[in-house]
Amino acid sequence: AQSVTQLGSHVSVSEGALVLLRCNYSSSVPPYLFWYVQYPNQGLQLLLKYTSAATLVKGINGFEAEFKKSETSFHLTKPSAHMSDAAEYFCAVSRAGSQGGKLIFGQGTELSVKP
Amino acid sequence: NAGVTQTPKFQVLKTGQSMTLQCAQDMNHEYMSWYRQDPGMGLRLIHYSVGAGITDQGEVPNGYNVSRSTTEDFPLRLLSAAPSQTSVYFCASGRESGANVLTFGAGSRLTVL
Repeated sequence: AQSVTQLGSHVSVSEGALVLLRCNYSSSVPPYLFWYVQYPNQGLQLLLKYTSAATLVKGINGFEAEFKKSETSFHLTKPSAHMSDAAEYFCAVSRAGSQGGKLIFGQGTELSVKP
Repeated sequence: NAGVTQTPKFQVLKTGQSMTLQCAQDMNHEYMSWYRQDPGMGLRLIHYSVGAGITDQGEVPNGYNVSRSTTEDFPLRLLSAAPSQTSVYFCASGRESGANVLTFGAGSRLTVL
């Protein structure tokens, strides 16, 4: 069975500091991996996705993530945090070839950005 | 604007009442799904559909019913509401593919007293 673990339910950084949100997955077959962001009182929006092409994936708003098969990780990073990055971030996995692209989500990480 | 529309945005029910959360998309997506979001638990899949007339259970289907009579609509029915169903519900749609990107609705916040 697939699963996703996000380390740290809450991460706080200063404006301009590096953002690192951790995600580890388990999957018996090559997965597709996603990062979604949820701003307060809104639905989820896609930040980026990995579908077995380049292992370093660039997304919107300066975010990127690197797929590391040996570590079963897909950590999200951004070199310099901005106040507008404050939100909840979800890592998700689906199985390559799965019907309908069912996503399994991690527990979420709330990012706070201090001025 | 194209997207996923959910109604109502807020609803308060008493235990034992029934209701339907509506979801409609205008992107001609084959795949539609319902998730519930609870603090510390992320989003959990309730039911999903890969096309009109085809539905299947997700991770937490008990107490919920769905049908898909058209491509556009995917309502979620609570048969007899329980306090454990207090949650925020999200409908999502996408192309039928393991790599598909889901488009989410804005959510429906349900409180069961």
